[in-house]
Formats: sequence, C-alpha cells, structure tokens
Amino acid sequence: KAGVTQTPRYLIKTRGQQVTLSCSPISGHRSVSWYQQTPGQGLQFLFEYFSETQRNKGNFPGRFSGRQFSNSRSEMNVSTLELGDSALYLCASSLHSGSQYEQFFGPGTRLTVL
Amino acid sequence: AQRVTQPEKLLSVFKGAPVELKCNYSYSGSPELFWYVQYSRQRLQLLLRHISRESIKGFTADLNKGETSFHLKKPFAQEEDSAMYYCALSEETSGSRLTFGEGTQLTVNP
Repeated sequence: KAGVTQTPRYLIKTRGQQVTLSCSPISGHRSVSWYQQTPGQGLQFLFEYFSETQRNKGNFPGRFSGRQFSNSRSEMNVSTLELGDSALYLCASSLHSGSQYEQFFGPGTRLTVL
Repeated sequence: AQRVTQPEKLLSVFKGAPVELKCNYSYSGSPELFWYVQYSRQRLQLLLRHISRESIKGFTADLNKGETSFHLKKPFAQEEDSAMYYCALSEETSGSRLTFGEGTQLTVNP
C-alpha cells in the first residue's frame, strides 16, 4: 500500500506570493490533517479535513486555508507569504476522524520564503 | 488550553543502559497520549499509544493521571533507538488533532 505523498517536496517563494501544497492520503483514508513544523514552534496543528469538510482548525491566521476533494486528496494554501511561513509542512492521513485511528505522516513539503 | 512538555531536548545514553524520555501534559479532560518517533531520514511514525498498553520495540509508557505524565521507558537501549521522539496528546472531541511536545533527540552511544 502506497504511503502518504506530498507535492512538491521543496518550494521557494518570495514574500507576498501565495502557495498551494498537495497531499494524497493512503488509499481508503478519509481524514487528512496538516501540521507546520518549525525549529522555534515545533509541530503545530493547522487543520483537519474529513469527507470534504473542515473538522478542526488550529490557531493560524486566515491566510492559511485548505480543502479536500471527493477522492480525499487535500490541498492547503497560504496567501500573502511571510518570512515566518518558512517551515516543513506535514500532512497525515487516517482511516476516519478520531484519535483511535492511527495517523500516517507524509514526507513533508519544505517551504522557504525569501 | 492543552499543552505537552518534554523537558529534555537532548538525551544521550550508552547502549544497554536504561532510558526514560519524559513527557508531561496539561489538559482538564481525559486525554489520549501517544509517542511518535522519527528516525533519521524517515517519516514521523506512531510508536505507541497509552490506550493500547502494549510494548513496542521494547518501549513502554504508562499514563499517570495524578502526575499528568506519560514517560517513555526502555530497560536496555539499542543504537537503533537513536531518533527524535515526540509526545503527543489528543482531546476527546478534537477528531484527529494532535498537540505535540517539542521533542527529545535520543542518542544511544556504542
């Protein structure tokens, strides 16, 4: 069974631009969660999508948004990029929404904002 | 608000020695606690969860609600245990949302 895939793996953008990151969950998984990982703040929850609906949202500004498609693939978008948005963005998928379902993480997308 | 604290950023032990990675949490409800591990150049993966009460790769963790702790222990560390370890908490009604600690880098020396 193929694991969680994320594209692209690396991105370089400049301040003010916007970016879209993609996550393909494990086949059959319906829940996708996104996390931001930085040296200073560690791993922080961005949002979770389940059956095309946002299930949970972390404490991030409205510049961070996401969506999920009918095939469970998910995208997250960051508009008006700031230097502080430079981070590793991880997505994780699970069969359903809920802590009883093991989450499987992707390799991450490394975003650098110049 | 919920919070997970891992007081040691770095932990170094010798092969065969016992190891304990500390995790404390603050949460007013009934949390579910996890340990995740990330080996060099690999993805973050689940090591164990408190609700399953099982031993994985020789590691165990006991949830102590009185001390709000979930320390990870192994009696005899192996070199292949060297990795980054994250303690994480999930709330009852928060779906798949995880709150992570800062992580502890464990190095097992030969």
